[in-house]
Amino acid sequence: NAGVTQTPKFQVLKTGQSMTLQCAQDMNHEYMSWYRQDPGMGLRLIHYSVGAGITDQGEVPNGYNVSRSTTEDFPLRLLSAAPSQTSVYFCASSYSGNPVEQYFGPGTRLTVT
Amino acid sequence: DAKTTQPNSMESNEEEPVHLPCNHSTISGTDYIHWYRQLPSQGPEYVIHGLTSNVNNRMASLAIAEDRKSSTLILHRATLRDAAVYYCILTYSGSARQLTFGSGTQLTVLP
Repeated sequence: NAGVTQTPKFQVLKTGQSMTLQCAQDMNHEYMSWYRQDPGMGLRLIHYSVGAGITDQGEVPNGYNVSRSTTEDFPLRLLSAAPSQTSVYFCASSYSGNPVEQYFGPGTRLTVT
Repeated sequence: DAKTTQPNSMESNEEEPVHLPCNHSTISGTDYIHWYRQLPSQGPEYVIHGLTSNVNNRMASLAIAEDRKSSTLILHRATLRDAAVYYCILTYSGSARQLTFGSGTQLTVLP
Protein backbone atom coordinates (compact mmCIF):
# COMPACT_ATOMS: atom_id res chain seq x y z
CA ASN A 1 0.00 0.00 0.00
CA ALA A 2 1.18 3.51 -0.80
CA GLY A 3 -0.83 4.83 2.16
CA VAL A 4 -1.78 8.51 1.94
CA THR A 5 -0.20 10.41 -0.93
CA GLN A 6 -0.23 14.15 -1.52
CA THR A 7 0.72 16.22 -4.53
CA PRO A 8 2.43 18.52 -5.09
CA LYS A 9 5.11 18.51 -2.38
CA PHE A 10 5.81 22.22 -2.83
CA GLN A 11 3.86 25.04 -4.46
CA VAL A 12 4.26 28.78 -4.79
CA LEU A 13 1.21 30.84 -5.71
CA LYS A 14 0.58 34.50 -6.26
CA THR A 15 -2.18 36.20 -4.34
CA GLY A 16 -5.52 35.61 -6.04
CA GLN A 17 -4.53 32.45 -7.87
CA SER A 18 -6.44 29.24 -7.35
CA MET A 19 -5.18 25.70 -7.12
CA THR A 20 -6.08 22.21 -5.97
CA LEU A 21 -4.07 20.15 -3.53
CA GLN A 22 -4.45 16.46 -4.23
CA CYS A 23 -4.86 13.72 -1.66
CA ALA A 24 -5.35 10.02 -2.30
CA GLN A 25 -5.39 6.90 -0.15
CA ASP A 26 -5.42 3.23 -1.13
CA MET A 27 -6.55 1.76 2.19
CA ASN A 28 -10.30 1.98 1.52
CA HIS A 29 -10.72 4.39 4.42
CA GLU A 30 -14.09 6.04 4.81
CA TYR A 31 -12.85 9.08 6.69
CA MET A 32 -10.53 11.69 5.18
CA SER A 33 -9.55 15.13 6.38
CA TRP A 34 -7.37 18.14 5.68
CA TYR A 35 -5.26 20.01 8.21
CA ARG A 36 -3.00 23.01 7.99
CA GLN A 37 0.07 23.62 10.11
CA ASP A 38 1.50 27.08 10.50
CA PRO A 39 5.12 27.52 11.66
CA GLY A 40 5.69 26.42 15.25
CA MET A 41 2.07 25.43 15.76
CA GLY A 42 -0.04 22.33 15.91
CA LEU A 43 -2.34 21.19 13.12
CA ARG A 44 -5.78 22.70 12.61
CA LEU A 45 -8.65 20.91 10.90
CA ILE A 46 -9.92 22.53 7.68
CA HIS A 47 -12.50 20.12 6.24
CA TYR A 48 -13.33 16.47 6.61
CA SER A 49 -15.38 13.76 4.93
CA VAL A 50 -16.99 10.66 6.42
CA GLY A 51 -17.55 9.06 3.04
CA ALA A 52 -18.03 9.68 -0.67
CA GLY A 53 -20.44 12.55 -1.22
CA ILE A 54 -20.31 13.76 2.39
CA THR A 55 -18.13 16.64 3.58
CA ASP A 56 -18.19 19.01 6.53
CA GLN A 57 -16.29 21.97 7.88
CA GLY A 58 -13.59 21.86 10.50
CA GLU A 59 -12.07 24.60 12.60
CA VAL A 60 -10.67 26.81 9.80
CA PRO A 61 -12.69 26.24 6.58
CA ASN A 62 -12.78 29.76 5.14
CA GLY A 63 -11.09 30.10 1.75
CA TYR A 64 -11.12 26.37 1.05
CA ASN A 65 -13.49 24.01 -0.75
CA VAL A 66 -13.59 20.23 -0.79
CA SER A 67 -15.52 17.49 -2.51
CA ARG A 68 -15.43 13.72 -2.21
CA SER A 69 -16.59 11.95 -5.35
CA THR A 70 -14.70 8.70 -4.67
CA THR A 71 -13.54 6.88 -1.55
CA GLU A 72 -9.91 7.24 -2.62
CA ASP A 73 -9.60 10.96 -3.37
CA PHE A 74 -10.20 14.10 -1.34
CA PRO A 75 -8.92 17.24 -3.11
CA LEU A 76 -8.63 20.60 -1.36
CA ARG A 77 -9.28 23.71 -3.45
CA LEU A 78 -7.97 27.15 -2.68
CA LEU A 79 -10.36 29.53 -4.39
CA SER A 80 -8.35 32.76 -4.29
CA ALA A 81 -5.04 32.33 -2.52
CA ALA A 82 -4.02 34.78 0.19
CA PRO A 83 -0.69 35.16 2.04
CA SER A 84 -2.47 33.99 5.22
CA GLN A 85 -2.86 30.60 3.55
CA THR A 86 0.90 30.07 3.48
CA SER A 87 1.23 26.86 5.45
CA VAL A 88 1.95 23.16 5.29
CA TYR A 89 -1.13 21.13 4.42
CA PHE A 90 -1.62 17.57 5.60
CA CYS A 91 -4.21 15.08 4.48
CA ALA A 92 -5.24 12.21 6.75
CA SER A 93 -7.44 9.15 6.47
CA SER A 94 -8.83 6.46 8.73
CA TYR A 95 -11.49 3.81 9.02
CA SER A 96 -14.76 4.70 10.63
CA GLY A 97 -15.08 3.70 14.22
CA ASN A 98 -14.19 5.03 17.57
CA PRO A 99 -11.40 5.54 18.29
CA VAL A 100 -9.26 5.12 15.24
CA GLU A 101 -5.68 5.47 14.16
CA GLN A 102 -5.31 8.21 11.57
CA TYR A 103 -2.77 8.00 8.77
CA PHE A 104 -1.22 11.24 7.57
CA GLY A 105 0.31 12.11 4.24
CA PRO A 106 3.74 13.75 3.84
CA GLY A 107 2.32 17.22 3.40
CA THR A 108 2.26 19.99 0.80
CA ARG A 109 4.25 23.14 1.58
CA LEU A 110 2.39 26.12 0.11
CA THR A 111 3.73 29.65 -0.13
CA VAL A 112 1.49 32.50 -1.25
CA THR A 113 3.27 35.70 -2.26
CA ASP B 1 -13.62 20.65 24.63
CA ALA B 2 -11.24 19.16 27.17
CA LYS B 3 -7.72 20.57 26.85
CA THR B 4 -4.29 19.08 27.42
CA THR B 5 -1.14 20.59 28.90
CA GLN B 6 2.31 19.36 27.96
CA PRO B 7 5.81 20.67 28.62
CA ASN B 8 7.20 22.60 25.67
CA SER B 9 10.38 20.56 25.51
CA MET B 10 12.22 17.64 27.07
CA GLU B 11 15.62 16.05 26.64
CA SER B 12 16.65 12.46 26.95
CA ASN B 13 19.80 10.45 26.50
CA GLU B 14 19.89 7.80 23.84
CA GLU B 15 18.96 4.28 25.00
CA GLU B 16 17.37 5.59 28.19
CA PRO B 17 13.63 5.57 28.97
CA VAL B 18 11.62 8.72 28.36
CA HIS B 19 8.47 9.71 30.23
CA LEU B 20 6.41 12.37 28.46
CA PRO B 21 3.68 13.81 30.71
CA CYS B 22 0.29 15.18 29.76
CA ASN B 23 -2.26 16.83 32.03
CA HIS B 24 -5.93 16.75 31.11
CA SER B 25 -7.77 17.70 34.26
CA THR B 26 -11.09 18.42 32.49
CA ILE B 27 -11.25 15.06 30.72
CA SER B 28 -14.70 13.50 30.53
CA GLY B 29 -15.58 9.88 31.00
CA THR B 30 -15.87 9.18 27.27
CA ASP B 31 -12.71 10.99 26.14
CA TYR B 32 -9.98 8.86 24.64
CA ILE B 33 -6.33 9.81 25.12
CA HIS B 34 -4.29 9.69 21.93
CA TRP B 35 -0.62 10.28 21.30
CA TYR B 36 0.79 11.23 17.94
CA ARG B 37 4.29 12.30 17.05
CA GLN B 38 5.67 14.38 14.23
CA LEU B 39 9.19 13.85 13.01
CA PRO B 40 10.90 16.79 11.30
CA SER B 41 9.36 17.63 7.92
CA GLN B 42 6.87 14.75 8.11
CA GLY B 43 3.20 14.29 8.79
CA PRO B 44 2.04 13.20 12.24
CA GLU B 45 2.30 9.53 13.08
CA TYR B 46 0.00 7.62 15.43
CA VAL B 47 1.74 6.28 18.54
CA ILE B 48 -0.85 4.91 20.94
CA HIS B 49 -4.24 5.55 22.50
CA GLY B 50 -6.17 4.49 25.60
CA LEU B 51 -9.30 5.10 27.62
CA THR B 52 -8.83 3.93 31.20
CA SER B 53 -6.29 1.13 31.36
CA ASN B 54 -2.59 1.25 30.64
CA VAL B 55 -1.73 0.25 27.08
CA ASN B 56 1.36 -1.19 25.43
CA ASN B 57 2.27 -1.52 21.78
CA ARG B 58 5.43 -1.98 19.78
CA MET B 59 6.23 1.72 19.87
CA ALA B 60 5.45 2.80 23.42
CA SER B 61 3.43 2.42 26.59
CA LEU B 62 0.67 4.66 27.84
CA ALA B 63 0.18 5.00 31.57
CA ILE B 64 -3.13 6.58 32.58
CA ALA B 65 -3.67 7.92 36.09
CA GLU B 66 -6.45 6.34 38.08
CA ASP B 67 -8.47 9.58 38.04
CA ARG B 68 -7.65 10.02 34.31
CA LYS B 69 -6.57 13.60 34.87
CA SER B 70 -3.09 12.88 33.57
CA SER B 71 -1.24 10.37 31.45
CA THR B 72 2.34 9.54 30.55
CA LEU B 73 3.75 8.30 27.29
CA ILE B 74 6.71 6.01 27.91
CA LEU B 75 9.38 5.31 25.32
CA HIS B 76 11.33 2.43 26.79
CA ARG B 77 14.63 3.06 25.03
CA ALA B 78 14.93 6.35 23.24
CA THR B 79 16.75 6.39 19.93
CA LEU B 80 17.83 9.34 17.83
CA ARG B 81 14.94 8.54 15.52
CA ASP B 82 12.51 9.26 18.38
CA ALA B 83 13.40 12.98 18.31
CA ALA B 84 10.08 14.57 17.39
CA VAL B 85 7.18 16.68 18.62
CA TYR B 86 4.84 14.54 20.68
CA TYR B 87 1.17 15.50 20.85
CA CYS B 88 -1.25 14.38 23.54
CA ILE B 89 -4.80 14.67 22.18
CA LEU B 90 -8.21 13.99 23.68
CA THR B 91 -11.09 12.92 21.50
CA TYR B 92 -14.64 12.39 22.63
CA SER B 93 -16.76 9.60 21.34
CA GLY B 94 -18.87 11.83 19.14
CA SER B 95 -15.99 12.96 16.97
CA ALA B 96 -13.13 10.63 17.69
CA ARG B 97 -11.65 11.24 14.26
CA GLN B 98 -11.34 15.01 14.62
CA LEU B 99 -7.99 15.60 16.22
CA THR B 100 -7.26 18.88 18.00
CA PHE B 101 -3.52 19.41 18.11
CA GLY B 102 -1.89 21.65 20.71
CA SER B 103 1.74 22.69 20.54
CA GLY B 104 3.07 19.38 21.88
CA THR B 105 6.40 18.49 23.51
CA GLN B 106 9.59 18.76 21.49
CA LEU B 107 11.71 15.74 22.48
CA THR B 108 15.44 16.00 21.92
CA VAL B 109 17.45 12.79 22.15
CA LEU B 110 21.11 13.24 22.97
CA PRO B 111 23.66 10.72 21.69
